[in-house]
Amino acid sequence: QSVLTQPPSVSGAPGQRVTISCTGSSSNIGADFAVHWYQHLPGTAPQLLIYDNNNRPSGVPDRFSGSKSDTSASLAITGLQADDEAEYYCLSYDSSLSGWVFGGGTKLTVL
Amino acid sequence: EVRLLESGGGWVQPGGSLRLSCAASGFMFRDYAMGWVRQTPGKGLEWVSTIHNDPDAGTTHYADSVRGRFTITRDDSKNTLFLQMNGLRVDDTAIYFCAKYRGETYQNWYFDVWGRGTLVTVSS
Repeated sequence: QSVLTQPPSVSGAPGQRVTISCTGSSSNIGADFAVHWYQHLPGTAPQLLIYDNNNRPSGVPDRFSGSKSDTSASLAITGLQADDEAEYYCLSYDSSLSGWVFGGGTKLTVL
Repeated sequence: EVRLLESGGGWVQPGGSLRLSCAASGFMFRDYAMGWVRQTPGKGLEWVSTIHNDPDAGTTHYADSVRGRFTITRDDSKNTLFLQMNGLRVDDTAIYFCAKYRGETYQNWYFDVWGRGTLVTVSS
């Protein structure tokens, strides 16, 4: 059971918008620690999508956006494309564990 | 180009040891904190360990699941990160990724560059 809870799977048709939630608690997201998001394809290095809640590294399309409120955060993907099909993870720091925690991951399927 | 290349993975029996290495290039290694993350078969990512950069390079952090068995170190003269893994268990079987940190205060650090990982299999 991950400290940060994500839905196991989400899906959407090409061109649609999907959101992936990341729910934490008062010792991580609710403690105002930043949330970061990654895209991961099997056999490859995870790729940073969003850092510090809502910032995109250079090279990441503006179809990807992040938000945070209270003890939760969300990743939104608009204009879904076939190559968005991947596993997505949130990351934050947890003061009770004195370490970093990932969400359990969400498998995005593009229908 | 920023690159991280892990090595040292392999098969080991329960109770055994392995030492992972991560060779860094394309950036000033000594200026960045580094970490290890693993992905167990069929499961998600799990943070394993972190080492600060100078002047706090002696500061380390460990996940509860590995504390007391794993040791993270770095050799800034060789741009290399290490993970010494002792007392390995079957549930340590995973792909181990080396990753570079960025960010301001350490609680808000995040991994901006990752290696492709090295597979560790613990089995009898």
